[in-house]
Amino acid sequence: NAGVTQTPKFQVLKTGQSMTLQCAQDMNHNSMYWYRQDPGMGLRLIYYSASEGTTDKGEVPNGYNVSRLNKREFSLRLESAAPSQTSVYFCASSVPGRETQYFGPGTRLLVL
Amino acid sequence: KQEVTQIPAALSVPEGENLVLNCSFTDSAIYNLQWFRQDPGKGLTSLLLIQSSQREQTSGRLNASLDKSSGRSTLYIAASQPGDSATYLCAVIRLDDYKLSFGAGTTVTVRA
Repeated sequence: NAGVTQTPKFQVLKTGQSMTLQCAQDMNHNSMYWYRQDPGMGLRLIYYSASEGTTDKGEVPNGYNVSRLNKREFSLRLESAAPSQTSVYFCASSVPGRETQYFGPGTRLLVL
Repeated sequence: KQEVTQIPAALSVPEGENLVLNCSFTDSAIYNLQWFRQDPGKGLTSLLLIQSSQREQTSGRLNASLDKSSGRSTLYIAASQPGDSATYLCAVIRLDDYKLSFGAGTTVTVRA
């Protein structure tokens, strides 16, 4: 039981490049989330998926797209990376109606 | 919009001293509150979850209180150890959609 896994662990991009961050969970959770964490700030919600086939914007969705590929996987895509998207990205999952979210180890992204 | 503040941003104490970490929030309408631990370069681990109707939760050396009327929660860690060194984050959880609003965290260093 690996919990929530994220790939890659670290990535360097040039401005304008695109990439997809992958997230998978093996806990049979319906809800999945993408957050970003910046120095001196709390985690901020980018997008979430309450169930397979649905996605909704969070607090800071601009510049990102998401895909809920199936119940296990939820990917985050940067179409044209900008230096402001340099951050640590966390994926999380939960059971609907249960408050506790389980977090992955994070992806550290540097955009030059 | 919910604002969550954690003061101080950093704290250094000698081993054995009790730790007191503060979390304040602006909107106390029906919310739960959760405390997380984050080790450097790692994801978040849930420590304690306080339901909206509760005033405190305890787990081992950890005790968290919730005062909704004043918009505050406090995490107490008794008899601190070097292994307690980490960043501690609080998050307020909306009960309609279970979205989390995070504070920026308090980074704790316990000196041996």
